[in-house]
Amino acid sequence: EVQLLESGGGLVQPGGSLRLSCAASGFTFSSYAMSWVRQAPGKGLEWVSVIGGDSVTTFYANSVKGRFIISRDNSKNTLYLQMNSLRVDDTAVFYCVKTIWSASYRFDPWGQGTLVTVSS
Amino acid sequence: QSALTQPASVSGSPGQSITISCTGTSSDVGTYNFVSWYQQRPGKAPKLMIYEGSKRPSGVSNRFSGSKSGNTASLTISGLQAEDEADYFCCSFAGSNTVVFGGGTKLTVL
Repeated sequence: EVQLLESGGGLVQPGGSLRLSCAASGFTFSSYAMSWVRQAPGKGLEWVSVIGGDSVTTFYANSVKGRFIISRDNSKNTLYLQMNSLRVDDTAVFYCVKTIWSASYRFDPWGQGTLVTVSS
Repeated sequence: QSALTQPASVSGSPGQSITISCTGTSSDVGTYNFVSWYQQRPGKAPKLMIYEGSKRPSGVSNRFSGSKSGNTASLTISGLQAEDEADYFCCSFAGSNTVVFGGGTKLTVL
């Protein structure tokens, strides 16, 4: 069974930084792209970033480009999201998602999410 | 990267069929056959229900079906059940290695 467990969320001041982690199990982690998708409180879903299985390719939403960095450590089956220059409107639950990218652009399954709150 | 347009809410009675629309543009839904649909129950993570427009993952009921016409994709749920009450989100590839989600539709089973 695929399991994705996010961690690292919390309260941070505007302009601050935070690193999210996602521990994966139940599948060959290095064979799959992985994404971060976020959901502001009471709002819809927003794709944030995707990384290929070999870390060669990374793509970002315009809203986070230049501020967020996605990475992975296949030896630890772990996905990361380094978030810098955080803004109040980055407040959201961040989901780690196993991704089929260029062949299908689908997200399945999703972790339970970790809440990031940006506030002074 | 403008969000796809979904109705804020739809409702139906048990046993009925409902359809949720997802309207994009010729830059996303209209050009690519990469529309997916996600179900999100309160307090839970989203779950993939339909991908590549009309394909169902293993384990998803055949009461769920997807289609597309022009710039609008649709999710149809037949034989509505109480357990179908949830938020539903569409998603489409939008070119330039990006995807865009819809704003979500709250389904109420009366």
